[in-house]
Amino acid sequence: GAGVSQTPSNKVTEKGKYVELRCDPISGHTALYWYRQSLGQGPEFLIYFQGTGAADDSGLPNDRFFAVRPEGSVSTLKIQRTERGDSAVYLCASSSGGAGELFFGEGSRLTVL
Amino acid sequence: QKEVEQNSGPLSVPEGAIASLNCTYSDRGSQSFFWYRQYSGKSPELIMSIYSNGDKEDGRFTAQLNKASQYVSLLIRDSQPSDSATYLCAVKGGGTSYGKLTFGQGTILTVHP
Repeated sequence: GAGVSQTPSNKVTEKGKYVELRCDPISGHTALYWYRQSLGQGPEFLIYFQGTGAADDSGLPNDRFFAVRPEGSVSTLKIQRTERGDSAVYLCASSSGGAGELFFGEGSRLTVL
Repeated sequence: QKEVEQNSGPLSVPEGAIASLNCTYSDRGSQSFFWYRQYSGKSPELIMSIYSNGDKEDGRFTAQLNKASQYVSLLIRDSQPSDSATYLCAVKGGGTSYGKLTFGQGTILTVHP
């Protein structure tokens, strides 16, 4: 596709449930980033992939969060045992070569009740 | 100390004026610096990148970088109501943080007619 695609655009779940958020980057982009953004805040770094491997996962808040990119293209962010504090917009971005010039998707808004 | 800090705002300027947005960063090894614009309810989009000390101009936008002072700024000349948005400063780390792009909290800019 022409841009970064994220699904679902909205997800409402109950506390304790498992959630998967998907990101399909721009074709050919080797770098893929996950951020989360709360209202009134800047995007908070979660994890960065270069190809299939996680180059930097220092932003994942705890072991309930996990992300994969098995074939170097689509990535899935997985959140186990969701908590109300996980409610945010989860943004995915891709870049060619990790240059820092990111192209963002429209985000997945997660609401944990 | 936050890794990337922006003046808290909000900043309000009249149409036609110069808007000045400021950002400081803590990692002295940082190599690349970016300004993103985020309209309400939308994802961030890149408007400027700067890699070396000095000024970089692109249309009505000028980015300024001073690595010795660990300071980045964005000037918007002839501000228009369509420039009203949140402006995010982003810094790409050096060394072991290479590739990680860290955002500031953003400055809300309002340009009033």
